[in-house]
Amino acid sequence: GNSVTQMEGPVTLSEEAFLTINCTYTATGYPSLFWYVQYPGEGLQLLLKATKADDKGSNKGFEATYRKETTSFHLEKGSVQVSDSAVYFCALTPFPTGNQFYFGTGTSLTVIP
Amino acid sequence: EAGVAQSPRYKIIEKRQSVAFWCNPISGHATLYWYQQILGQGPKLLIQFQNNGVVDDSQLPKDRFSAERLKGVDSTLKIQPAKLEDSAVYLCASSLIKAPGGYTFGSGTRLTVV
Repeated sequence: GNSVTQMEGPVTLSEEAFLTINCTYTATGYPSLFWYVQYPGEGLQLLLKATKADDKGSNKGFEATYRKETTSFHLEKGSVQVSDSAVYFCALTPFPTGNQFYFGTGTSLTVIP
Repeated sequence: EAGVAQSPRYKIIEKRQSVAFWCNPISGHATLYWYQQILGQGPKLLIQFQNNGVVDDSQLPKDRFSAERLKGVDSTLKIQPAKLEDSAVYLCASSLIKAPGGYTFGSGTRLTVV
């Protein structure tokens, strides 16, 4: 079946610290992988995606590389800001066999000045 | 382009009451999804429509939940009767048919059942 496992939070970092949020997946076929972000009181926003092995998704200083050999899609950022405080969700779709999302449980990040 | 519109934003009801949520997808998006996000968890798919037909409703608790998509555009999700464990954010999303994960999510409706 399809599933996503994320590192549990909450995560608290000081401003300018390095961020890693681990994500591993189980999927049939060759899924597309995503990171979504949810700011307090807001909806889900696509942060980045990768649709095939070895692809790197990047946006707003965040990066994640699709690693088929380790079935992972870890999120990284070199220097976090207070404005990055949010909940981060890793997700996959088994496209083209299906296009529904399978989400992880989310990781809450708080960045302190 | 306009985003996915959902209403209401918030709803508080007593258990055993009925409630309905409305979603207007992005114009031209044939596929529409309803997800349930319980506090502290990731969203889970309830039902997927393609145009006005149901593609997947295997996760929908059909004894109390129903959904329809009239004319392949707007959609409503209904709960009757509501239970305490239905307290969650209900997210609507829409996408083009051939877009891997190319979703746009609405802001959601936060339901509290007391």
